[in-house]
Amino acid sequence: KNEVEQSPQNLTAQEGEFITINCSYSVGISALHWLQQHPGGGIVSLFMLSSGKKKHGRLIATINIQEKHSSLHITASHPRDSAVYICAVSSLIQGAQKLVFGQGTRLTINP
Amino acid sequence: EAEVAQSPRYKITEKSQAVAFWCDPISGHATLYWYRQILGQGPELLVQFQDESVVDDSQLPKDRFSAERLKGVDSTLKIQPAELGDSAMYLCASSFGLGWEAFFGQGTRLTVV
Repeated sequence: KNEVEQSPQNLTAQEGEFITINCSYSVGISALHWLQQHPGGGIVSLFMLSSGKKKHGRLIATINIQEKHSSLHITASHPRDSAVYICAVSSLIQGAQKLVFGQGTRLTINP
Repeated sequence: EAEVAQSPRYKITEKSQAVAFWCDPISGHATLYWYRQILGQGPELLVQFQDESVVDDSQLPKDRFSAERLKGVDSTLKIQPAELGDSAMYLCASSFGLGWEAFFGQGTRLTVV
């Protein structure tokens, strides 16, 4: 079992829909990251959070430390939101601080 | 705006040839990471530096891969000889320190033919 699991793996929606991507982790963490990767492109950091909720434009990220779960929400989705969204956790593993990645969620927003 | 610079963006090389990638982290970032991302999968850590020292290279295939960060600033990742299975996106990231937010470069897409 992976230490960071995302769901769904693929998500297709119509423009304007409310999108939720989930991330569950099984290790102790110091922070959780939501990242965005466009096709053929590098990775952009969207959020880093260790508790509560953060909002940036149409994006909202929440984390529940007790349940080891985080969600990324996109309101009023747009085709330009189509990308792979990756959840990653900062965790102390074998004495070193590491970033552990989920497998990503491929989001496609159709016009 | 400060960013992590990587070059080249794309590289096509023949099997058994040598290939090198370069990364210039954000100024002042002590921690530098090299990741490999195979299509459809999440990034996998290859090597992590703290200044010029290697913190973690447990997943680096040391028979063919090498990485250095001689002055604790920019870094080079080398593959020699390249194999078909090395085709992937190679991502560099940097952070102020261990546990701080990581910032990623655009990546180098390697195709081995």
